[in-house]
Amino acid sequence: GAVVSQHPSRVICKSGTSVKIECRSLDFQATTMFWYRQFPKQSLMLMATSNEGSKATYEQGVEKDKFLINHASLTLSTLTVTSAHPEDSSFYICSAKVGSLNQPQHFGDGTRLSIL
Amino acid sequence: AQSVTQLGSHVSVSEGALVLLRCNYSSSVPPYLFWYVQYPNQGLQLLLKYTTGATLVKGINGFEAEFKKSETSFHLTKPSAHMSDAAEYFCAVTDTGRRALTFGSGTRLQVQP
Repeated sequence: GAVVSQHPSRVICKSGTSVKIECRSLDFQATTMFWYRQFPKQSLMLMATSNEGSKATYEQGVEKDKFLINHASLTLSTLTVTSAHPEDSSFYICSAKVGSLNQPQHFGDGTRLSIL
Repeated sequence: AQSVTQLGSHVSVSEGALVLLRCNYSSSVPPYLFWYVQYPNQGLQLLLKYTTGATLVKGINGFEAEFKKSETSFHLTKPSAHMSDAAEYFCAVTDTGRRALTFGSGTRLQVQP
């Protein structure tokens, strides 16, 4: 149980393109989803916290107009990187959890974004 | 504010040897602690977690960790390393007020034949 599906797994596109990444909880309802960014050989950095039906909470330094997050249902959150540039190239990982605080987050397999 | 320190960005052990990955945390409230493993180009898989109760927690793949409040540590161990254990390991902490995880910088485990 507790499977999180992230799609696509890899994206290569030209600079200026907008890219949408989907994160789905397949067998549970996720009250909260998180979006992380991971640079090569570095740790995960939280970008934003997404609660179903409300606006995402962005971490300091993360541009909300650049990284649009929509959490339309209890099983789906999307991250759209708008007008992507080479510096946006990274590994993006989502996670989802139910509301109880002592329940762990379940992670997707990540999306490798490469902007040419 | 919370933080996690993982001592040693790279650890190399021989197959069959003891694995010890160190994690120290800082938290002003009782922490919830986690260890995750990441294989190349994949997401994170939960190894084990500590929330409350028994301080020695057992996880998957033969790993275990002990929460030591006096030392603010949550070191990960495995008695005998296997080649398949080679991966990146992340220690993470959250508190009772936030739900996001704060990750350590990670430790890459290499297992030599």
